[in-house]
Amino acid sequence: AQKVTQAQTEISVVEKEDVTLDCVYETRDTTYYLFWYKQPPSGELVFLIRRNSFDEQNEISGRYSWNFQKSTSSFNFTITASQVVDSAVYFCALSGGILTGGGNKLTFGTGTQLKVEL
Amino acid sequence: DAGVTQSPTHLIKTRGQQVTLRCSPKSGHDTVSWYQQALGQGPQFIFQYYEEEERQRGNFPDRFSGHQFPNYSSELNVNALLLGDSALYLCASSSGQGSYGYTFGSGTRLTVV
Repeated sequence: AQKVTQAQTEISVVEKEDVTLDCVYETRDTTYYLFWYKQPPSGELVFLIRRNSFDEQNEISGRYSWNFQKSTSSFNFTITASQVVDSAVYFCALSGGILTGGGNKLTFGTGTQLKVEL
Repeated sequence: DAGVTQSPTHLIKTRGQQVTLRCSPKSGHDTVSWYQQALGQGPQFIFQYYEEEERQRGNFPDRFSGHQFPNYSSELNVNALLLGDSALYLCASSSGQGSYGYTFGSGTRLTVV
């Protein structure tokens, strides 16, 4: 079975602070994909990033960066110089590869509520 | 380019009733997945439709059923509604069954009273 754990339920920061959201996953698949989604109050899940299990290269996109470490089964997400508009619930999700029978459904963590205040 | 469209946005039903939720996928997408998100929780996978067939199903009872039409749009039906079915129902579309990218709609907020 697949499992995603986001231990941080809620994080509050002051604008311009850096913040890291933690994600730990469990899977028996050898091929899998990891995702981060943002859910603003409107409810729509906004795609942020997808990584496959063969690519451990860390990535930076503007103020966002991701740290994928297969050895510790972690896929952490950092926002640099946070802004009020970053306030939302952030979900980490895992999907197994079709060929390994893991299926392509998304297994989500319980989310981290990020509040950025002035 | 229209994204995923879901209707209605909000719905109130009485326990025991039946409900149908609708989803139009993003242009170019042919696969539709449905998720249930209870308040304060992460979305839970209900099922996925591809080529008008249910391809994968999560741990949901048979009261939850679906359909996909030739134009790739989809419906989620829930029979004999329970109070616990109150949730945000999200539709996600993708191209093929691969894990390349899912586009989510804004969801339908179902309240069962």
